[in-house]
Amino acid sequence: AQKITQTQPGMFVQEKEAVTLDCTYDTSDPSYGLFWYKQPSSGEMIFLIYQGSYDQQNATEGRYSLNFQKARKSANLVISASQLGDSAMYFCAMRGLDTGRRALTFGSGTRLQVQP
Amino acid sequence: EPEVTQTPSHQVTQMGQEVILRCVPISNHLYFYWYRQILGQKVEFLVSFYNNEISEKSEIFDDQFSVERPDGSNFTLKIRSTKLEDSAMYFCASSEGRSYDEQFFGPGTRLTVL
Repeated sequence: AQKITQTQPGMFVQEKEAVTLDCTYDTSDPSYGLFWYKQPSSGEMIFLIYQGSYDQQNATEGRYSLNFQKARKSANLVISASQLGDSAMYFCAMRGLDTGRRALTFGSGTRLQVQP
Repeated sequence: EPEVTQTPSHQVTQMGQEVILRCVPISNHLYFYWYRQILGQKVEFLVSFYNNEISEKSEIFDDQFSVERPDGSNFTLKIRSTKLEDSAMYFCASSEGRSYDEQFFGPGTRLTVL
């Protein structure tokens, strides 16, 4: 079984500042992947970044980076230089990689509001 | 850039009616998925589909639900007799099938059961 916990229901950040969205996970899978998705008010789910449990380095994609701490079972998303367009719900998700199962398990999300 | 498309964007139906939600996955993807999100709640996995059969399903995906790939492009979710609690956003997703591949989501279909 897998579980994702996002403890911040809402976050505020000033434009141009960095923000960290927390995600902790629990799994019995020896190998797993962690994903972050953005959901704007329009409703679609946009893939942002991926981290494999076996990756030695933290993933980065433009202004997004993932602070992966395997021992702490955390996979926090860092958004640098926040923009007004970053205001959205952000979901952390995971799945096991060795079992053949592909279902993503999602957290409850964090609503980020970027203030001018 | 290729994307997953879904139709309709919004479906309103009466309780007990059958609905079919349609999706066109990205053309070279091999795995297809349905998820749902009840308003204000987390996204929940329903079913995955590969090689013309269900590869995985959740407890939510009971006998009321079925999936089909009727042709080479469409992927459908059918709810046979809708209930009030089926009201949700339904997302279709697809992935290439690599061991750690990301799933690309469609824009969703908002289903409202009255």
